[in-house]
This record gives sequence, C-alpha cells and structure tokens, in this order.
Amino acid sequence: GDSVTQMEGPVTLSEEAFLTINCTYTATGYPSLFWYVQYPGEGLQLLLKATKADDKGSNKGFEATYRKETTSFHLEKGSVQVSDSAVYFCALIPSYNNNDMRFGAGTRLTVKP
Amino acid sequence: EAQVTQNPRYLITVTGKKLTVTCSQNMNHEYMSWYRQDPGLGLRQIYYSMNVEVTDKGDVPEGYKVSRKEKRNFPLILESPSPNQTSLYFCASSLGPTGKLFFGSGTQLSVL
Repeated sequence: GDSVTQMEGPVTLSEEAFLTINCTYTATGYPSLFWYVQYPGEGLQLLLKATKADDKGSNKGFEATYRKETTSFHLEKGSVQVSDSAVYFCALIPSYNNNDMRFGAGTRLTVKP
Repeated sequence: EAQVTQNPRYLITVTGKKLTVTCSQNMNHEYMSWYRQDPGLGLRQIYYSMNVEVTDKGDVPEGYKVSRKEKRNFPLILESPSPNQTSLYFCASSLGPTGKLFFGSGTQLSVL
C-alpha cells in the first residue's frame, strides 16, 4: 500500500542553519501530502500540506513542494530557531482511501543556540 | 478554545485488566480516529469513525474496540490489555477525513 519514508534522525543544527528533512513516498495515483510537527509533550499539529503535483505548502517559514517526478515532499526552512526543535512527521492520504492517513516514522530535530 | 481532550495522560496497568481511554472534541467534527505511536514506526491508525455509530478498522485494530455513541466522544477500549499494547496513544478529529487533523495531547500507556 501507499507509504512514506523519512530520513532518519536525529538531526542537530545550530540556530540560523538551513534545514532539509527528506521525505519520499510510494503511492498509487495522486495522494495528498502533509507535514505535521510534534512539540515535546504535545500532540501533532499540521504544519503544511499539498494536494497536487507542483503545489508548494508553506507555513511559519517552512516549505515543501509536491514533486511527482521524484515522488518527494522534502521539508525545508532557510533559518531554523531553537523553538523549531520538535519531531517532524511526513504523511500522506492515498487517493483511493480518504480515511487512511499514513505517517512516516518521524524525524527529531534539535536546534542549538 | 477548540481542542481534543484525552484522559488519562498517563496510565500504568496490568495484563488483562480492562481499561478505557476517553477522547472528546468540542469542534463538532464528524471524523475521529485513534493512533498509536511507537519508536521507529511513526503513527499507525487503530480505528476511525466517520460519524455517530459509524466506525471502521485502521491498520492495527487487533486488541482494541471503539464506540461512537455521540458526535463529540470516541473512547478507545482495551478489553484485555497485553504488554505489546504499551504505547503512546493519540486521538484526532477533523471536519472530514481529508481535512486538517486536530490531535489530543496523548495518553502514555504501560501494560505490565
């Protein structure tokens, strides 16, 4: 079935560094793609999403572009802050089953001052 | 404030002792679901509900039950918990299955 694969963490960066967290997917058809973020002790929150090829989702300085040719949805941010330290999950909803959101294993990001 | 409320936040129990984790949302959402989060596996869907009295299995339903008697509540029931159900559980809701998911703060369950 459809699935997502994220780069393994943890990722440790210094403040103001450039961030990339890789996410690739395997899917039949055209899934919707998402990035969720989980801050310590909290539930997941939607960060951004894209529902069709070449769409770019963006929020809070984070961006991700739906690339069908490379089946990727990499998360990027130009300058990370300590407050961005969290676990980031890539996810998809298959085109054939709207009730089934599938998550990646998560990537823990730590940003040091 | 719009929120999804899970209780309890932490629970330690013993094998075979029935337990219920409650979930309530105040956003009038039709869609609700339960996930478990395990290291290296991300979140896996246990059950979901499209509306009152409409529930269906997710990826890992074995050992769990749910009910949806009211729109706002979606409890997760473990009739006979086992140690392999030790996990972090999240309830989530949305207007529809493809809408933005709102998550509760999680329930850390340990089954001894």
